[in-house]
Amino acid sequence: SYELTQPASVSVSPGQTASITCSGDELGTKYTFWYQQRPGQSPVVVIYQDNMRPSGIPERFSGSISGNTATLTISGTQAVDEADYYCQAWDSSTGVFGGGTKLTVL
Amino acid sequence: QVQLQESGPGLVKASGTLSLTCTVSGGSMTYYYWSWIRQSPGKGLEWIGSIYYSGTTNYNPSLKGRVTMSVDTSNNQFSLKLSSVTAADTAVYYCAKLQTVVARPSWFDPWGQGTLVTVSS
Repeated sequence: SYELTQPASVSVSPGQTASITCSGDELGTKYTFWYQQRPGQSPVVVIYQDNMRPSGIPERFSGSISGNTATLTISGTQAVDEADYYCQAWDSSTGVFGGGTKLTVL
Repeated sequence: QVQLQESGPGLVKASGTLSLTCTVSGGSMTYYYWSWIRQSPGKGLEWIGSIYYSGTTNYNPSLKGRVTMSVDTSNNQFSLKLSSVTAADTAVYYCAKLQTVVARPSWFDPWGQGTLVTVSS
């Protein structure tokens, strides 16, 4: 079955840039979507179609794709950005999520 | 704006069937896909399946034929049944609207608040 691989954890200092990667076979031929899940809350999409930001999501969130690796970048990271982040894609009509990355803002 | 709310028993006996309903408010179900996603305690997200307003379904092959979804547009609801449950099916179950782009499944938004279902032995 198709798999998306994310680092289990990423740490960043306030005001710095955090990068979370997501890799998968032929991911560059699919769209990648990114979700933020704060503790006790439901996931919220922060990036869709690789690099599109929904209305209401701060400009510090951006997405990119290079080869088979998608990256979620948070510029000027704030304490409020501490959360779990999941990437998601579709493979042969099956929805697949990455294992999630816990972002710690220290 | 569209809001979703899950409902159903929070406790299911092992080998039984888990049944949940998602009520959609603030918008029509017509011409859209609707999905179920779950999250085991302390774990990641798993897509269970999606259903079109007309009733066409698409399930995660990993659930090996245990999943059945249905839709009732007259009551703005869609439902999930998961049979032969075990402790491994204990999770928070979310319903969500599946956004599409050029008729292709894309991202999930919005999500319901989620409901915890525990499978007991």
